[in-house]
Amino acid sequence: SQQGEEDPQALSIQEGENATMNCSYKTSINNLQWYRQNSGRGLVHLILIRSNEREKHSGRLRVTLDTSKKSSSLLITASRAADTASYFCATGSNTNAGKSTFGDGTTLTVKP
Amino acid sequence: KAGVTQTPRYLIKTRGQQVTLSCSPISGHRSVSWYQQTPGQGLQFLFEYFSETQRNKGNFPGRFSGRQFSNSRSEMNVSTLELGDSALYLCASSLGRDREAFFGQGTRLTVV
Repeated sequence: SQQGEEDPQALSIQEGENATMNCSYKTSINNLQWYRQNSGRGLVHLILIRSNEREKHSGRLRVTLDTSKKSSSLLITASRAADTASYFCATGSNTNAGKSTFGDGTTLTVKP
Repeated sequence: KAGVTQTPRYLIKTRGQQVTLSCSPISGHRSVSWYQQTPGQGLQFLFEYFSETQRNKGNFPGRFSGRQFSNSRSEMNVSTLELGDSALYLCASSLGRDREAFFGQGTRLTVV
């Protein structure tokens, strides 16, 4: 089974609203990355957060990591129609070289 | 800086044939990982190469193989294609452990 599980599976909001997606995982990790994917195209890297970090920001994105709960969240503030995409979390472990384990993703729809 | 480049973007092959996909990583990145993405299984790890050595391998049959060249470019090969091999194949490059992994646009393989 997949390491990460995103919640919710689908999210629909109005432009200007905030979107929050959650990711839970099962085993110890060294890092967690968030990606965006538009309609079957490549994955766009958003943020990497390491296991010793609790929060990171990048523009309108805010990522938190709680290793005690084995969970992470991605917050997109002031969403835009262009944010419509699938969002994936991917966990990495230094004992598993070069492998990221992905969740099933959250499909975000931002209505204009 | 150029991103990860995958060629070709689209392929249509017949069952039983073989196929080779190519991935050129970001300049300076020595780690290249390959993933298969399907609607049913999501993103599944195939293998990872670092400095021409396979360091990690996912749970795929031996029909799936890869290699990496001295300039870090990587190829993956699928022999004796099956209908179920139809998928988006993605490669990612990274500087190494605990670093961001950046993806290419993928190769869409259709087996008929």
